Amino acid sequence: SSELTQDPALSVALGQTVRITCQGDSLRSYYASWYQQKPGQAPVLVFYGRNNRPSGISDRFSGSNSGNTASLTITGARAEDEADYYCNCRDTVDNHVVFGGGTKVTVL
Amino acid sequence: QVQLRQWGAGQLKPSETLSLTCEASGGSFNGFYWTWVRQSPGKGLEWIAEINHSGGTHHNPSLKSRVTMSIDISKNQFSLKLKSLTAADTAVYYCARGSIVSTISTIDYWGQGALVTVSS
Repeated sequence: SSELTQDPALSVALGQTVRITCQGDSLRSYYASWYQQKPGQAPVLVFYGRNNRPSGISDRFSGSNSGNTASLTITGARAEDEADYYCNCRDTVDNHVVFGGGTKVTVL
Repeated sequence: QVQLRQWGAGQLKPSETLSLTCEASGGSFNGFYWTWVRQSPGKGLEWIAEINHSGGTHHNPSLKSRVTMSIDISKNQFSLKLKSLTAADTAVYYCARGSIVSTISTIDYWGQGALVTVSS
């Protein structure tokens, strides 16, 4: 199956840590990439691969992978981290790309 | 800094064909997968298709029969055509730059997005 499953919503207190997970069979073969999307804006790549953060992305964003699950962790959450977060990876059967359903993160 | 500029008709009728073009600037055009992603109002991201500089393509299986991708290397442009539109195709359409390196597949630059509304 090429589906990626994410929790629809998570909340985190200001300054605390939140982990967003993404599950799918394709993650056993391909690393996940993670995107942050704020209302009315295009997505922004925030983490990808085993341990890659694009230039300009805070080191409060980190990722991990285990079996069929990838995780994005936000450490020391700030109000500006409130957004939708999407994972994606490539399907192993015919190489198309699939996105998870997204996780809405609320910072309390 | 890579920039993606996209354009195309924003208001279409059912059964018509959507046509969008995206132009990349500020970086190499070769070696990447030029990508279209859409987002229906209030919904998540849906990957549509991608094309590389050689014309190689991959498609979302659920849209493949209606999608045509093309590329013009001389202009650093790539295009999407989606035929037989219905109201369900109403979405913000994003062009983007993707890459595959070993087991890492990612989309690192995105256009600004364009709302396409399908309505009679």
